[in-house]
Amino acid sequence: ETGVTQSPTHLIKTRGQQVTLRCSSQSGHNTVSWYQQALGQGPQFIFQYYREEENGRGNFPPRFSGLQFPNYSSELNVNALELDDSALYLCASSSDVAGGPSGELFFGEGSRLTVL
Amino acid sequence: AQSVTQPDIHITVSEGASLELRCNYSYGATPYLFWYVQSPGQGLQLLLKYFSGDTLVQGIKGFEAEFKRSQSSFNLRKPSVHWSDAAEYFCAVGPLRPGGGNKLTFGTGTQLKVEL
Repeated sequence: ETGVTQSPTHLIKTRGQQVTLRCSSQSGHNTVSWYQQALGQGPQFIFQYYREEENGRGNFPPRFSGLQFPNYSSELNVNALELDDSALYLCASSSDVAGGPSGELFFGEGSRLTVL
Repeated sequence: AQSVTQPDIHITVSEGASLELRCNYSYGATPYLFWYVQSPGQGLQLLLKYFSGDTLVQGIKGFEAEFKRSQSSFNLRKPSVHWSDAAEYFCAVGPLRPGGGNKLTFGTGTQLKVEL
């Protein structure tokens, strides 16, 4: 069983640039969530994709956008980068279960973004 | 709005000693509660979860947690800590339901240091 994989693991951008982060969900999982974890903080929910549509969004501006592909992999795009976007970006996948939640998010190891 | 408070930012215990990490939550409905662990440079790993039923839940690596509705708490415990338990621990609350809604609200984490 393949776990959640994210790429790239580290990247450095300058303010105003755009970045794309990628996530491959665990085999059999159809839901992908993205979280931002600033240094010394807990992860914060950005949004979730279910069956290729955004299905829930946290308190993040529209310059944070995403995609989910038919194979359930996902991208997170951030435009007009700001210094405060520097963080660890975590992707989590899960499956839905008829009659109840699956109850577990499987997290990747994250992509660490530094904005200079 | 839902929220999670982890009052202890850092905790240091001796190897072999018992451990209790505190978590208090605020949520307007029946909460789903989780504890995750994050080692340096790693993603999050689920230790245990509570959905309903028995208020004492067992997890991996010898951890357990007790849900106390009257105190809005979900404290994590381990009878005997091992040096490999040194990591950051996050409590989270959220509704998980089929088809979406995997938004978890995390606390700010407790950094555990184990002295040999």
